[in-house]
Amino acid sequence: EDKVVQSPLSLVVHEGDTVTLNCSYEVTNFRSLLWYKQEKKAPTFLFMLTSSGIEKKSGRLSSILDKKELFSILNITATQTGDSAIYLCAVEATSGGSNYKLTFGKGTLLTVNP
Amino acid sequence: GAVVSQHPSWVICKSGTSVKIECRSLDFQATTMFWYRQFPKQSLMLMATSNEGSKATYEQGVEKDKFLINHASLTLSTLTVTSAHPEDSSFYICSARDQGQPYNEQFFGPGTRLTVL
Repeated sequence: EDKVVQSPLSLVVHEGDTVTLNCSYEVTNFRSLLWYKQEKKAPTFLFMLTSSGIEKKSGRLSSILDKKELFSILNITATQTGDSAIYLCAVEATSGGSNYKLTFGKGTLLTVNP
Repeated sequence: GAVVSQHPSWVICKSGTSVKIECRSLDFQATTMFWYRQFPKQSLMLMATSNEGSKATYEQGVEKDKFLINHASLTLSTLTVTSAHPEDSSFYICSARDQGQPYNEQFFGPGTRLTVL
């Protein structure tokens, strides 16, 4: 059974702090790892990672994948209160034929206090 | 970007009734749609994969007779929760895969919050 484990499960920081969120996985037929931000509704896409060692950046967010050690990190620098959300890590793997499915971790609840 | 809509956004029903939730891809064709369920403070759990024109594939532990899925067109999939009970109260989210996008990216709908009294 595919497994995705995120840590920490929750994190409280002050504005301006830098945070690192972790995601480890065990899946067969790995295709990609994705990070999402979920506020009150459905998740919004942040990054898709398919290759080891290549950092993806978007503003203050960045992420990297290590396919040998089977983990990824999501970094947020100079955090703002608007970064408060649940950050979900998901791994995409084949589910038979040409179908791919996502397995989500439990998420990290990030709270950024002013 | 690709947009997925869900209807209704929230629904309250009595125990024993059936509820239908619609998932539409608004500006792309989706041969595959996915239905997830999310309980409070829990992650998204895949319930089933819905393929246009064929039967849905259900994940282990999900009752196919209780959660009926119909994917009759390339832009619409429906999830019907039959004989709903309070334990079915949850946040139901669909996603649709845009076959025309690289890596077959999934786009998520805004979710439907179901409360069964």
